[in-house]
Formats: sequence, structure tokens, C-alpha cells
Amino acid sequence: AQSVAQPEDQVNVAEGNPLTVKCTYSVSGNPYLFWYVQYPNRGLQFLLKYITGDNLVKGSYGFEAEFNKSQTSFHLKKPSALVSDSALYFCAVRSGNTPLVFGKGTRLSVIA
Amino acid sequence: GAVVSQHPSWVICKSGTSVKIECRSLDFQATTMFWYRQFPKQSLMLMATSNEGSKATYEQGVEKDKFLINHASLTLSTLTVTSAHPEDSSFYICSARSMGSGELFFGEGSRLTVL
Repeated sequence: AQSVAQPEDQVNVAEGNPLTVKCTYSVSGNPYLFWYVQYPNRGLQFLLKYITGDNLVKGSYGFEAEFNKSQTSFHLKKPSALVSDSALYFCAVRSGNTPLVFGKGTRLSVIA
Repeated sequence: GAVVSQHPSWVICKSGTSVKIECRSLDFQATTMFWYRQFPKQSLMLMATSNEGSKATYEQGVEKDKFLINHASLTLSTLTVTSAHPEDSSFYICSARSMGSGELFFGEGSRLTVL
């Protein structure tokens, strides 16, 4: 069975500082990994994905994530956080054509 | 980019009534659509997988007679919450998988409040 763990319910970071939102996964087969962002009462916005190739994936709004197979992790990072980055972030995984399985989400709060 | 439209965005209904939520892929065809439910401050829980022209596949614990799913065309799937009760109040999100690229796109969600 597929699963995603986001160990932090909340991450607080000062504006301008680097941010990391953690994600680990469990899947049989090759993982397809995704990060989405959700603003209040809105659907999900795609940030980035890892399918194959370079372990460092760059996505929207300056976010990036690094696929680490040995640690089964796919942490989301940004070198310099903005107040507008404050939102709920979901990590998700699937394998082949199976449905996406989401983590519980991490609320990011960027403080000015 | 590809757009998935959900309608209505907000709906308030009385207990015992049925509510239909539409999910449309506006500029691509989708043989497969997924319906998720999100409780406040919680993650998205997959309810069912909807395949065009066939019956939906429901996840364990989801009542198929309660949550009727129809995927009549390559661009439209509907979720009908039958005889809604206050505990059905939630945020419902659909996603559609593009036939061409295989990518998954999400709708903006529909908030259901049952009084």
C-alpha cells in the first residue's frame, strides 16, 4: 500500500529565510512524487513533480524538491520564503496508474 | 494549462435533499476522474475513481448508494450526495487525468454545507 508522511503539522519561518517542508513516502514500484499547495477554500495548485531523471526538481514560485531514494524522501524547499507562501502544502505519491495518495498536509506560516 | 471546473463552488442545502456536483475538464479529455473529500484541516481522502462509460470504483468505507458518481462523457463526471445530512458537509475536490499527457489536474473544489 502507498503512504505519505508529512511529520510536521506546522512550519513557521521568517520572511527571507530558507524553508523546508518534509515528506517521506512508501510505495511498491517506482514512485511518482508531487507537491501541491492549497489556499483557503481553494482547490490544489500543482507545484512540482518527480517522475524520473534529475533528483533535484524545480517547480513553480521558486520551489524545489529533492528526491532521495535511499531515505525515501521528497522534501520541499525554497531558498527565501515570502509571506505569500503561507498556505497548506501537500505531498502526494502514486505508482504507475494508481490514484494519488496524499499526506496529511503541512501548514506553512511565513512571518514578516 | 489544462483547466478542471467544478460547479457549484458553494452549496447550502437542507438535510434530506440531494446535491449534484459537476466536474468538467474544459480543454482536454479525461477517461479517469477522481473524487476526493477533505475535512477541515485534514488531508484529501480518495472517495472513488470514475471511469468514463463504466461504474465507479469506490474506496473502502465510502457508501456508493450515498455518493452516486456518473462519468457519462470524456469531459464530465458528477457526484451526487443523496439524502444529505450535516455530517456530509465537507469540501469535495475532483481531479481529471488527461488522456493525452496522463497528467492529473485538480478542480477548485466544492464546499457543501448541509443544514
